[in-house]
Amino acid sequence: QKEVEQDPGPLSVPEGAIVSLNCTYSNSAFQYFMWYRQYSRKGPELLMYTYSSGNKEDGRFTAQVDKSSKYISLFIRDSQPSDSATYLCAMSASGKFYFGSGTKLNVKP
Amino acid sequence: GAVVSQHPSRVICKSGTSVKIECRSLDFQATTMFWYRQFPKQSLMLMATSNEGSKATYEQGVEKDKFLINHASLTLSTLTVTSAHPEDSSFYICSARTHGGALTDTQYFGPGTRLTVL
Repeated sequence: QKEVEQDPGPLSVPEGAIVSLNCTYSNSAFQYFMWYRQYSRKGPELLMYTYSSGNKEDGRFTAQVDKSSKYISLFIRDSQPSDSATYLCAMSASGKFYFGSGTKLNVKP
Repeated sequence: GAVVSQHPSRVICKSGTSVKIECRSLDFQATTMFWYRQFPKQSLMLMATSNEGSKATYEQGVEKDKFLINHASLTLSTLTVTSAHPEDSSFYICSARTHGGALTDTQYFGPGTRLTVL
């Protein structure tokens, strides 16, 4: 079993839709949770960072962590074509990081 | 947010030559940096963890004599691909770890280096 599971997609939505991206994990020791956005041929860009459980909002993005279910989500409101990218979840404990395989999102104009 | 740079962004070389890639944390100090490799349409593959002032830790299957890593300062790590061959052609990405107390532990990535070996 992988430490972090993420649906690879692709996920295709119309412009303006609410997007939900998810990851599950198995290690209850994870304390730090991240979402990265990666455009083609670019390095990943840190979008959201959460410590422990709860929600965090930044503009159109909301990150949610449910440690009891070992489940994290990233919501994108009013999605734009510029949001088309691969989204990677990541989590860490004791300095070791684990990445999901990434979900490819396509927002159609 | 923290900024990590990588140089060069793209390199084309002949088979058998060595290529050095630099990774710098521009506005913070990073005791730990990571090197990743990414093939087209695939996820990140961790190659090694680089700690300032000590030897890098390589992931299983990564040849340490092939991929030389040096982390001589708190803001610079280098990856040298020695005697490069076409199968080494890939997208190489570095990242720097920020760890500010109990509430912060994350990585910031560089923009990547595309290596093409002819």
